[in-house]
Amino acid sequence: GNSVTQMEGPVTLSEEAFLTINCTYTATGYPSLFWYVQYPGEGLQLLLKATKADDKGSNKGFEATYRKETTSFHLEKGSVQVSDSAVYFCALYNTGGFKTIFGAGTRLFVKA
Amino acid sequence: EADIYQTPRYLVIGTGKKITLECSQTMGHDKMYWYQQDPGMELHLIHYSYGVNSTEKGDLSSESTVSRIRTEHFPLTLESARPSHTSQYLCASRDTGELFFGEGSRLTVL
Repeated sequence: GNSVTQMEGPVTLSEEAFLTINCTYTATGYPSLFWYVQYPGEGLQLLLKATKADDKGSNKGFEATYRKETTSFHLEKGSVQVSDSAVYFCALYNTGGFKTIFGAGTRLFVKA
Repeated sequence: EADIYQTPRYLVIGTGKKITLECSQTMGHDKMYWYQQDPGMELHLIHYSYGVNSTEKGDLSSESTVSRIRTEHFPLTLESARPSHTSQYLCASRDTGELFFGEGSRLTVL
């Protein structure tokens, strides 16, 4: 079946540090891949997405590349800010299906 | 900006009370979902709906029930709340690929 595995947190970084949150997946077919972000006290919101192999999703300085050969969709940001402190979820969805498969979430703390 | 709304945002009630968590969306999406989020952050799908008059149980067994009488409205009901129901409940809807989430309802049962 489909599954998503992402690195455990919490991840603690200093402001302006480089961020990587690893995400790998197992899926049948050709799923779309997503990163959602959840800020404290809020629901999830889409951060970025990629719908096919080698696509790069990007938003707010974050980016992730859909790597079919390594079944990965790692999230990166060159310089994090305190305001990036949140929980990040990697997810996959098969078009025409019904359920989104989420990873367990990675909590990021950024210190000033 | 997502147009999906949940009320109440926070609710503290006693054991045995009946509660309804409201979820409404103005995007005309057919597919809607309820997730339970535990303190460890993981999301568990508890209910979903393909459209009006369609409701299905999710991956995590839940004592709650849902209804879908109108496209825009997907309320969740607990007939008799217990402390084990204390959690964050997130409602979502989908157009094609992306999920749109409400801000959540945090329920505490004493």
